Amino acid sequence: GDSVTQTEGPVTLSEGTSLTVNCSYETKQYPTLFWYVQYPGEGPQLLFKVPKANEKGSSRGFEATYNKEATSFHLQKASVQESDSAVYYCALSEWGGSGNKLIFGTGTLLSVKP
Amino acid sequence: GALVYQYPRRTICKSGTSMRMECQAVGFQATSVAWYRQSPQKTFELIALSTVNSAIKYEQNFTQEKFPISHPNLSFSSMTVLNAYLEDRGLYLCGARDLQNSDYTFGSGTRLLVI
Repeated sequence: GDSVTQTEGPVTLSEGTSLTVNCSYETKQYPTLFWYVQYPGEGPQLLFKVPKANEKGSSRGFEATYNKEATSFHLQKASVQESDSAVYYCALSEWGGSGNKLIFGTGTLLSVKP
Repeated sequence: GALVYQYPRRTICKSGTSMRMECQAVGFQATSVAWYRQSPQKTFELIALSTVNSAIKYEQNFTQEKFPISHPNLSFSSMTVLNAYLEDRGLYLCGARDLQNSDYTFGSGTRLLVI
């Protein structure tokens, strides 16, 4: 079945350093790819999504490119801030019948030190 | 904006008893509702997907007999964990979307502790 694999955390960085969280996916379909962010005590919030291969999504300085050939969707940010500390989930959606199903990766806990 | 509220936020139930949790969509029509469980040290597992006027579709390892879901209108859904045991503990998330918006809006979850 469809699956998403991402960098196993936790990832600890200092403010101002760069971030890469790897994400790979498996599917026989043509999914939309997502990055979600979850802060403590809250549900996951959509960071951005990319519906088409070879396109890039971005938000709040984070970006990822939908690489169909490599089946990857790595999250990057050039300079992280303490407020970026959260759990990041890569996800894909597949369409089926009357609704769509969102499949999440295992999540990567990011901790940014001042 | 689109918001999803879940309640209770946290709950404790005795082993073998049942627990009902609710999900309220505000600001949009919750045509589809997805219920997920996040067990300790695991990611979000989809329990079932409910679409108004369609049958509720349960994922493998989850059944209606264990997790009955109600989705009576475009703003509300509930799910019950029947006969809860230790392996049912975790964070239960409700995500809702409407026909115009392909993205789910998630609530903050109901954290279930079984003792």
